[in-house]
Amino acid sequence: SAVISQKPSRDICQRGTSLTIQCQVDSQVTMMFWYRQQPGQSLTLIATANQGSEATYESGFVIDKFPISRPNLTFSTLTVSNMSPEDSSIYLCSVADRDGNQPQHFGDGTRLSIL
Amino acid sequence: GEDVEQSLFLSVREGDSSVINCTYTDSSSTYLYWYKQEPGAGLQLLTYIFSNMDMKQDQRLTVLLNKKDKHLSLRIADTQTGDSAIYFCAERNTGGFKTIFGAGTRLFVKA
Repeated sequence: SAVISQKPSRDICQRGTSLTIQCQVDSQVTMMFWYRQQPGQSLTLIATANQGSEATYESGFVIDKFPISRPNLTFSTLTVSNMSPEDSSIYLCSVADRDGNQPQHFGDGTRLSIL
Repeated sequence: GEDVEQSLFLSVREGDSSVINCTYTDSSSTYLYWYKQEPGAGLQLLTYIFSNMDMKQDQRLTVLLNKKDKHLSLRIADTQTGDSAIYFCAERNTGGFKTIFGAGTRLFVKA
């Protein structure tokens, strides 16, 4: 399975600032996703990162708050903009192949705390 | 809509078997997964089963699928303290790219 590297692994940020999280995969993958896991909760899909076009956002998530880039088949970034304490979460990058025969794999996540 | 439900907590003694249960609603589910999340880590794929199978065994792990009742279980034999983690059940339906996750079951293993 693909090896997924996320950076940073954790950060503590001031409210009102923005942070960009990077996700690098060691092989080309069709699908890349960004999830949020709030403390003690399950995973919530933020968006699907599309190569060369705008990401597809889930209900409740907007591009202005969570801009996403995906310049190629091995790399994506998620920016958390104008952060508030409610954005304190784990943010997870996940990858899968379009054929649907292979499960999603996850990076180790970015643990974000907003003061 | 699609939904995956799991019990939230399970506590077992070291050496006993653990059984984590999950129910799902999507009758077209093709793939059903179990992920493990240890503290401070991401999700690790443990095992998965196709919906045309009834059982899958992988070392200490046994997955049982009851399609009629839409019930999936994960049995961990000889549970160890290192098995303490959150276990997520997830489903993905035919032709879909979106995986639906349960809330996760927190397994506590007592020495």
